[in-house]
Amino acid sequence: QVQLVQSGVEVKKPGASVKVSCKTSGYTFTSYAISWVRQAPGQGLEWMGWISAYNGNTKYVQKLQGRVTMTTDTATRTAYMELRSLRSDDTAVYYCARDKSVVPSGPEFQHWGQGTPVIVSS
Amino acid sequence: QSVVTQPPSASGTPGQRVTISCSGSSSNIGSNTVTWYQQLPGTAPKLLIYSNNQRPSGVPDRFSGSKSGTSASLAISGLQSEDEADYYCAAWDDSLNGPLGVFGTGTKVTVL
Repeated sequence: QVQLVQSGVEVKKPGASVKVSCKTSGYTFTSYAISWVRQAPGQGLEWMGWISAYNGNTKYVQKLQGRVTMTTDTATRTAYMELRSLRSDDTAVYYCARDKSVVPSGPEFQHWGQGTPVIVSS
Repeated sequence: QSVVTQPPSASGTPGQRVTISCSGSSSNIGSNTVTWYQQLPGTAPKLLIYSNNQRPSGVPDRFSGSKSGTSASLAISGLQSEDEADYYCAAWDDSLNGPLGVFGTGTKVTVL
């Protein structure tokens, strides 16, 4: 069955970087894109962007442009999301989710990781 | 700031029908399909409805979706205690920066 397993809790200081991993199994990795979604404490869902596991093409939400990088490692079937210059308002649970195709056609995700809490605090 | 808005809360007694609205614009709901998610506390969202009104395998037919113009709705009929959760709509937004995903502001459903 399709599984996405994310890395554990991260505690970072303001200005630092964090890299969250999302290890997949149960499907052909390069046939789908991976999206990243975050959720601040007590807040709603925020779509961050996606990466095609086929060719590495990416699309990021404008507010994170320049601070976020999404990558994949096809050998280990793992997707990564790196966020730099962390601020307190980046404190959130970060989710990876598998898109329904290699090029996303909408935020339609049947398979999600369990979420990775990222805490940014001095 | 989300461009897709939902009422912050909705409630009903067991067995009742509850409807949640999702209001967007011509660049998102007006020109793309709508997806609905259910999120129980402390868990990842679960896909509930896709392509406006389609249910994935395993989702009870008590859940139904519809879309008209720049708005969409999720209906829960025969409300049950386990339906108490947060619900989010989502759609593609054909912005100047290219198609981007947008989520609604979310609605907390309480079973009285």
